[in-house]
Amino acid sequence: EAGVAQSPRYKIIEKRQSVAFWCNPISGHATLYWYQQILGQGPKLLIQFQNNGVVDDSQLPKDRFSAERLKGVDSTLKIQPAKLEDSAVYLCASSSWTSGSYEQYFGPGTRLTVT
Amino acid sequence: GENVEQHPSTLSVQEGDSAVIKCTYSDSASNYFPWYKQELGKRPQLIIDIRSNVGEKKDQRIAVTLNKTAKHFSLHITETQPEDSAVYFCAARWANQAGTALIFGKGTTLSVSS
Repeated sequence: EAGVAQSPRYKIIEKRQSVAFWCNPISGHATLYWYQQILGQGPKLLIQFQNNGVVDDSQLPKDRFSAERLKGVDSTLKIQPAKLEDSAVYLCASSSWTSGSYEQYFGPGTRLTVT
Repeated sequence: GENVEQHPSTLSVQEGDSAVIKCTYSDSASNYFPWYKQELGKRPQLIIDIRSNVGEKKDQRIAVTLNKTAKHFSLHITETQPEDSAVYFCAARWANQAGTALIFGKGTTLSVSS
């Protein structure tokens, strides 16, 4: 099966600019996650979707971050305005219970540099 | 909420030796404990996971043990090889059929020298 796709792979912006990341999960996966991974740290969950509904967004900085999954498939994560501390890799992951597994499959990530 | 501590932060071993990485978690409701391997510049990939109804699980050279009473779990890699060199992350959380928002440890950089 095709893996989780993300674009762009790299993005450099100046602080206060806006940026958007796109994720296409594995076909049929109902659950989609966005994680932020700062260099040298483990991934930190930003938001979890089940189909097109939000399950957990408790760690999403809602004053500047937003995410949507309108049709329950693709998802977009937006940052507006960006801060220097937003420099990180943004990982999208998806999972499906149909195989009886909780495994999350990660995409290649988008590396964001804010200057 | 859940908090996951991981030790050591770096681990260097000789090829063929064993490596052990330990994690503790705080939420007794957590029932799912995966381990991910992340090579430099690559995505995290699941190498093994364990659920709270099991005390130990093995897959070839990799094993995970879980002590629910003490709230800690460990990754054991035997007969290490240079290709085992990577960053390893443990994670924990309560999971159901809707998935789980994993809480990750800070990672252990494993270096295997030949």
